[in-house]
Amino acid sequence: GDSVTQTEGLVTVTEGLPVKLNCTYQTTYLTIAFFWYVQYLNEAPQVLLKSSTDNKRTEHQGFHATLHKSSSSFHLQKSSAQLSDSALYYCALSDGSAGNKLTFGIGTRVLVRP
Amino acid sequence: GPKVLQIPSHQIIDMGQMVTLNCDPVSNHLYFYWYKQILGQQMEFLVNFYNGKVMEKSKLFKDQFSVERPDGSYFTLKIQPTALEDSAVYFCASSTGLGVNTLYFGAGTRLSVL
Repeated sequence: GDSVTQTEGLVTVTEGLPVKLNCTYQTTYLTIAFFWYVQYLNEAPQVLLKSSTDNKRTEHQGFHATLHKSSSSFHLQKSSAQLSDSALYYCALSDGSAGNKLTFGIGTRVLVRP
Repeated sequence: GPKVLQIPSHQIIDMGQMVTLNCDPVSNHLYFYWYKQILGQQMEFLVNFYNGKVMEKSKLFKDQFSVERPDGSYFTLKIQPTALEDSAVYFCASSTGLGVNTLYFGAGTRLSVL
């Protein structure tokens, strides 16, 4: 089956510095889409980025990610972290099947300190 | 953005009792989902639901689980009877379509089975 790996459980970054969250995947499907969800404390996970196009940069709210099928990756980056970016970030894969099921990574908690 | 409301946020019950988790999906969405997240693990797909019927369910969706959305009201997940291993956070989601449509999640219901 599909799998999504997020290698960092916790990333601590100083405000204003860049942050990168890793996401790699395994799938046998050809038609795939990727999502980054962000979950702030006591709130619902909400979609941050979505991409299904290989090698195309996707941006939203200062974050960006590029799907690289050659390396099976969809890393999330931001050039300057803000205190409000402290949250839990999930990488998720949709295999494009009729069921629209998502396979999630375990999540990476980001802590931005002043 | 679109909001999915889950009631209650936390439920504590004794093993063997019945529990119903309620979800108020986004008003114009037609597809509904339940995901389960055990502490320290990733969110995992349980079931999806459309037009009054279960479309797909995972192996985590045990015989004791059932879902329904009577007369367009709450989308519910019922567990009867509950077991200790049912303790988890249950996330409801909805979407306008299938394929790679974005899922909108609720904040989750934390179920504690004692």
